[in-house]
Amino acid sequence: SYVVTQPPSVSVAPGQTARITCGGNNIGSKSVHWYQQKPGQAPVLVVFDDSDRPSGIPERFSGSNSGNTATLTISRVEAGDEADYYCQAWDISDHPYVFGTGTKVTVL
Amino acid sequence: EVQLLESGGGLVQPGGSLRLSCAASGFTFSNYAMSWVRQAPGKGLEWVSAISGSGTNTYYADSVKGRFPISRDNSKNTLFLQMNSLRAEDTAVYYCARELPTDYSSVIDYWGQGTLVTVSS
Repeated sequence: SYVVTQPPSVSVAPGQTARITCGGNNIGSKSVHWYQQKPGQAPVLVVFDDSDRPSGIPERFSGSNSGNTATLTISRVEAGDEADYYCQAWDISDHPYVFGTGTKVTVL
Repeated sequence: EVQLLESGGGLVQPGGSLRLSCAASGFTFSNYAMSWVRQAPGKGLEWVSAISGSGTNTYYADSVKGRFPISRDNSKNTLFLQMNSLRAEDTAVYYCARELPTDYSSVIDYWGQGTLVTVSS
C-alpha cells in the first residue's frame, strides 16, 4: 500500500514560520489533507485538497503539493499551534486511506 | 451543528468482541460516507474502515479485514463497527468520522470525540 512519511518533530519560535513535509511517491498526483491534533482531542482539519482551508481556519495555515512532497506551512506561529499534525494522501483508487506518520510541532 | 457520538468501547479479553456505535446528528446522514479511524496510545492515526452513504460499498484496512465489519442504519442515523477476534494491537481510541466529497477528493471534515477500546487479559 501507499506509504507517506513525515518528520517526527519540528521546532519553531513564536512568530516564525513552520514547514511540515509529507513525502510519498508522486504525491503531487494525489489530494493531500492536513489535520491538527492537540493532546486529548480529536483531530481538526486545517487544509484540504492540497491548499484549501475550511472555514474558521486562519490564513496562517497554507499548503502546497508537488512532485514527491506536500508541505503544510504555518506562518506567524503562535503558542496555540503546538500540536501533532498529520497529512493524508487521498486518491480514488486508494483503499485504505493513508495517513502520514505525524509531526509534533513544538513552539519554543 | 454536526455531532458524532461514539459509544460501546471498553475492556475486552483477547479473542473477544465489541460493537461500536456512532450516533450522528446535525446533517443528512444518508448523504455521507463515514469512516472509522483509530489511534493506539501514543501513536498516530490509522484509518480502519469506510462505508458509502447507502451502505452498499465498504472498505477495510488490511489489519482488520475479515474481523471488523462496518455497517450503518440510515433510519437511525447510526454507524456501527463490529469488532471480532480482538487482539492486543487493536487497543486504541476509535473515532467515528464524516467524509465530505470535494471537487477533487473526499476529506474527513468532522470527527467524534472517540471511544477507547482496550484489549487485555
